[in-house]
Amino acid sequence: GAVVSQHPSWVICKSGTSVKIECRSLDFQATTMFWYRQFPKQSLMLMATSNEGSKATYEQGVEKDKFLINHASLTLSTLTVTSAHPEDSSFYICSAENSGRAVGNIQYFGAGTRLSVL
Amino acid sequence: SQELEQSPQSLIVQEGKNLTINCTSSKTLYGLYWYKQKYGEGLIFLMMLQKGGEEKSHEKITAKLDEKKQQSSLHITASQPSHAGIYLCGADINTNAGKSTFGDGTTLTVKP
Repeated sequence: GAVVSQHPSWVICKSGTSVKIECRSLDFQATTMFWYRQFPKQSLMLMATSNEGSKATYEQGVEKDKFLINHASLTLSTLTVTSAHPEDSSFYICSAENSGRAVGNIQYFGAGTRLSVL
Repeated sequence: SQELEQSPQSLIVQEGKNLTINCTSSKTLYGLYWYKQKYGEGLIFLMMLQKGGEEKSHEKITAKLDEKKQQSSLHITASQPSHAGIYLCGADINTNAGKSTFGDGTTLTVKP
C-alpha cells in the first residue's frame, strides 16, 4: 500500500513553455502533499506544501507564480512550471501524507520527474 | 539541512561488512524517518521512530532513536550490493505536525 505515482518521469521542453507534473496517491487519501526539488548529489529542497482545497504554502525564495500548485482532490496535486527556463532544469519529487494515518507524518514519495529545459 | 546533520556523507564498504549511518539534531525530534533513494528515483520509506530509546528492524537494517530523541542511527548488518543507494533521514523538529526536515543524505556503495 501507500503508492504515489508521479508523471511524467522525464520531460524535455523548450525554453518559455510550461510543464505540468502530476502527483497521485493511488491507494490512500492525501490532504497534504509536498513538492521538492533536488539538485545532483544534494538533499531534498522543499518548495511548497500543497493543501487540498486551499492555497499552497510556498517556502521562502520559491516564486508561486513560477511554480503553480493545484491540489483539487484528495488524491491529486499538480505542479506547473510556467515559462520554464534552463535554470529550472532539475529533479522534482512529490510526496504525500496519508490522511488516514493516526500516528506520524510519514511521507510517501513519487519516483520523481527529471525536467530538462533547452 | 543544518537542523539535521547526517554522517558520514559517503561510505564505501566491502560486501558482508556492517555499517552505521548517523542522524543528529540539536533539537528534539518528534518523529524520525529513514528513507532510501536510488539516484534519480524517488524515496522509499524504511522506518519511523517516535519514542526515545525506540529500535526497529527490517531484514538486515536496524534503526534506533536515542533516549533524548536527538540522534538516530541506521545500522546495516552484512551489507549487500542491494543496500547501495542514498540514505536520508527526515524528522519532525520541534513539533509533531507539518513538514519534515531532511538530512543531506549518505551515499552508500557496497563493493562485491
